[in-house]
Amino acid sequence: DQQVKQNSPSLSVQEGRISILNCDYTNSMFDYFLWYKKYPAEGPTFLISISSIKDKNEDGRFTVFLNKSAKHLSLHIVPSQPGDSAVYFCAARLNRDDKIIFGKGTRLHILP
Amino acid sequence: DSGVTQTPKHLITATGQRVTLRCSPRSGDLSVYWYQQSLDQGLQFLIQYYNGEERAKGNILERFSAQQFPDLHSELNLSSLELGDSALYFCASSVSGTGLDEQYFGPGTRLTVT
Repeated sequence: DQQVKQNSPSLSVQEGRISILNCDYTNSMFDYFLWYKKYPAEGPTFLISISSIKDKNEDGRFTVFLNKSAKHLSLHIVPSQPGDSAVYFCAARLNRDDKIIFGKGTRLHILP
Repeated sequence: DSGVTQTPKHLITATGQRVTLRCSPRSGDLSVYWYQQSLDQGLQFLIQYYNGEERAKGNILERFSAQQFPDLHSELNLSSLELGDSALYFCASSVSGTGLDEQYFGPGTRLTVT
């Protein structure tokens, strides 16, 4: 049973446009959400996070939005750049002492 | 239950000491990943092994080392421990070594350095 779901396996976006990656979760007890970026043959790299008490967190070109009532979060990348082509993992944490539960990832292709 | 096992579950040790964390991947998985999860930090990738060979290296300190044995289990060795090494250490495994297939995480080892 997947607690963190990324329903789009892949996404293609034109360079310079906005990339929106979506993530749904089922457990309302998650207290922290994270996004990871992963290049082939490398480990995931932490990108941005958001606490469950917030609804938005912004870091440069990356913004994460959290809609707790819908149990949905999204990652916005503006503007999209070629180096953004990677797999993006949404992840959630149950509490400070628990492991992070990852979604299956969305492969983002930035088109020239 | 992901099928990935890690021992011990908890470890408390003193600064300057050395510890070994153990990971057994899921049956059939050839790749093992080690991660460190510190307080308020995301998961930090440390190192990956594939079928006994080091495949990728992340933010692993020189005081840390790992290996994967012929039976595919892996060990993470942490030496000259510092207070800042206190963290959750996760092992994950996957079928291939491409890094793009789903990683299955073990329950983690909580290391406390006092």
